[in-house]
Order: sequence, then C-alpha cells, then structure tokens
Amino acid sequence: GQQLNQSPQSMFIQEGEDVSMNCTSSSIFNTWLWYKQDPGEGPVLLIALYKAGELTSNGRLTAQFGITRKDSFLNISASIPSDVGIYFCAGARGNKLVFGAGTILRVKS
Amino acid sequence: NAGVTQTPKFQVLKTGQSMTLQCAQDMNHEYMSWYRQDPGMGLRLIHYSVGAGITDQGEVPNGYNVSRSTTEDFPLRLLSAAPSQTSVYFCASSFDRGTGNTIYFGEGSWLTVV
Repeated sequence: GQQLNQSPQSMFIQEGEDVSMNCTSSSIFNTWLWYKQDPGEGPVLLIALYKAGELTSNGRLTAQFGITRKDSFLNISASIPSDVGIYFCAGARGNKLVFGAGTILRVKS
Repeated sequence: NAGVTQTPKFQVLKTGQSMTLQCAQDMNHEYMSWYRQDPGMGLRLIHYSVGAGITDQGEVPNGYNVSRSTTEDFPLRLLSAAPSQTSVYFCASSFDRGTGNTIYFGEGSWLTVV
C-alpha cells in the first residue's frame, strides 16, 4: 500500500536545540497532518495543514505543506524534555489517512 | 468526557483463537476506523465506517471483520488469530471523513498472539 517516507527515523538531541523532520510521498495529498504519540497512548494531533504552501505554527511547533502537495516538514524550536515521543506525519485524501513510519525523538536534558 | 474508549488494553491470544476488540465513542461521530501500528510501519488502516450500517476495507483488512450496528460502537474481530496479528491496535473517530482535523484516537490495545 501507499506509504509516506518520514525522516529521520530517530533523533537524539540536546535540550534547547531545534528539531526538524519531514515527510515525502510520490502521491498528492489534500491535507497534511502531524501527530505526536506518547508511550502507551494514542496519537494526538499537533498541526493540520490544508493548503499547498501553508505555514502553520502551534507554540514551538511549525509545519509547512509543500508546494507540490507531496511533502511536509515539522520544526520544533528550543526542545524540552517533554518533547520526547514519536512524531507521525499523515497525508489525507478522501476518507483515508496514510501515515509515515514515525520519528522517535529523544531529548537529553 | 470519555472520547474514544478501547478495550481491552492488553491481550494475549493463542494462535487460532478468536477475539473482539471493542471501540466506543460518545461524540456522535459518523466516521470510525481501526488502525494497526507496527514498528517501522506507522499506522495502517484495517477497516473503516462512514456511518451506522456501512463498513469498508482499508489497507490491511485480511483476518479482520468489523460491524457498525450503532453510531457509538465499532468492534474489530479477529476470527482466527495469527502471530502476524501481534500489534498495537488503535480505534479512531471523527465528525467527517477522516480529513484529520477532528480525528480522535483511543489509547490503543496491545495484542500478542503466541
């Protein structure tokens, strides 16, 4: 089935550093979404993007919907220990979501 | 404010056994879906429903059945469990057809098939 290529697979960064991750696909999506999953819990929506080129912020998080509609990135500024978790991108088209494999973020305090 | 409730949280099955993962939402959402999460694979859609009485297959439907007799409930049945079905299962619901802005996930069900 179709998949999104999400990178990096994992990151181990120093507290206070900025983080960047991205997703690419060979398919066009109408909506790009970024989720965070904490251990033992379900994914929680962080940011939703609806238009090509759209740049949206949510606190220290910034995400962009690529112009080609085939990619998106998520930036986290000034990371803190509670940012640890798995971050998923998802592309939506019609009534289905396709998820990336996730980026595991670990933060050294 | 329960949101999406999944049970059980953890389950161990023997190969060939059957079981049902329960999912209920109290938000009057029309759209419900089941995903499985495996390492390095992200979340993959198993089955989904756009309303009571309507279900359809997702990306990985084999070995699973669903039904949607009410708006609130969307159970996932494993007919004859196989080790390949060891995974974490998430139920999700939303007002509209999964465009993501209002999609809510349950806390997950950890299933091990031995």
